[in-house]
Order: sequence, then C-alpha cells, then structure tokens
Amino acid sequence: EVQLVQSGAEVKKPGESLKISCKGSGYSFISYWIGWVRQMPGKGLEWMGIIYPGDSDTRYSPSFQGQVTISADKSINTAYMQWSSLKASDSAMYYCARQFRSSGWTDYWGQGTLVTVS
Amino acid sequence: EIVLTQSPGTLSLSPGERATLSCRASQSVSSNYLAWYQQKPGQAPRLLIYGASTRATGIPDRFSGRGSGTDFTLTISRLEPEDFAVYYCQQYGSSPQTFGQGTKVEIK
Repeated sequence: EVQLVQSGAEVKKPGESLKISCKGSGYSFISYWIGWVRQMPGKGLEWMGIIYPGDSDTRYSPSFQGQVTISADKSINTAYMQWSSLKASDSAMYYCARQFRSSGWTDYWGQGTLVTVS
Repeated sequence: EIVLTQSPGTLSLSPGERATLSCRASQSVSSNYLAWYQQKPGQAPRLLIYGASTRATGIPDRFSGRGSGTDFTLTISRLEPEDFAVYYCQQYGSSPQTFGQGTKVEIK
C-alpha cells in the first residue's frame, strides 16, 4: 500500500527555522516525484514545488522560490521542506504528494502537516 | 503561469441532482493535462480525474470529466451524500503547476 506519512504539527515563533518531513512507503521512492502543496486556513491549494528523490532534481514555483527549500534523503525514503526564518504568513497546512513525473498528476497525498507561526 | 478559474464558487444542490463544475484556463492546457480533486473538511485532497477525462482508480463512474484546451468540466451525475465537498482543478502540463480556487458543492 502506497503511503506518505508526514511529520507532526509544529508551533513556531517568527524568525525560527523549521524542517518538516514526508516519508514514503509501499513503492519505489526514487522513481516518483514528491510535490509540496500549501493550504492556508480556509483557502485553496497552492503548488509549491517538487523533487525527484532519485537525483534530487528540484523545481519551484516562482511564488515560493527562495522562500523554502525542498530536499530528499533517498536512503530513508524521506522528502523535506524547510524554512530558515518563518513568518506568520507561513502558517498553513502543508501536504506532500506523489507524482509519477514532473508534469504529472498527483495520485497519493500525505495527511498534512499543520504549521503555526505565532 | 496558467491561471485556472473555477465556477461557480458554490453550488447548492440536493442529493440525487446533477452537478456541473467548470474550470477555465487562461491559456491552453498542454496535452489536456488537467486533473480534478475532491477535498473534504480535515482531509487531504483525493484525485478524481486526470488527463481531463480519465477516472482515477476506485472513483465511481458518476464522476466524469471532459474538455480540452481552455475549458474543462467535472460532472457528478447523481450526487451522493458523500460527494458534498470542495473540488479543485489543477493543470500539470506547464510549470508551475496551478490549481483553481475551488468549487464548494453544498447540500441545498
């Protein structure tokens, strides 16, 4: 069974750093892209970027380029998203999701990680 | 980037009725790389349709998608109680991938 399991909810202060994770199982982790999607409270979905764990090829949406860093450790089937200095406006639910190619649909989603910056 | 505009914002219908959701793109979607997702409160989105018209695994046949170029439609032929949710379209043919703002299907 394909699963993406994300790290737990985080409460941080403005200016702090944060790294959240997404662990894949039940499939070949290095053969699929992992994307990250933001959902601010009561709002819609925003595509942030994707990474191919096989070679760490990473693409960002211009809206998020420079704001976050996406990475992956294929040895432990885990993708990450990190912030170096959080802002209150980073408060949101963050989902990781699997894509079979960089221009592909998203077929499996993690359960989401709620980040609160206050 | 491609902007997707969904309409209507909210659709108020009764169980058993037909729902028609629209997604219009600001420019042609490459290869009809258009997907639809359903999201219920407190849950992650779920893939319904990809390639504009192909149902994902396990999706009931009351869900259908059609369209090409810049105009796409998701139809739910007969609404079941579990279908009341928010629906998003997404284009994945051009980078950055983008989502529409969502259509909420609520019980009338």
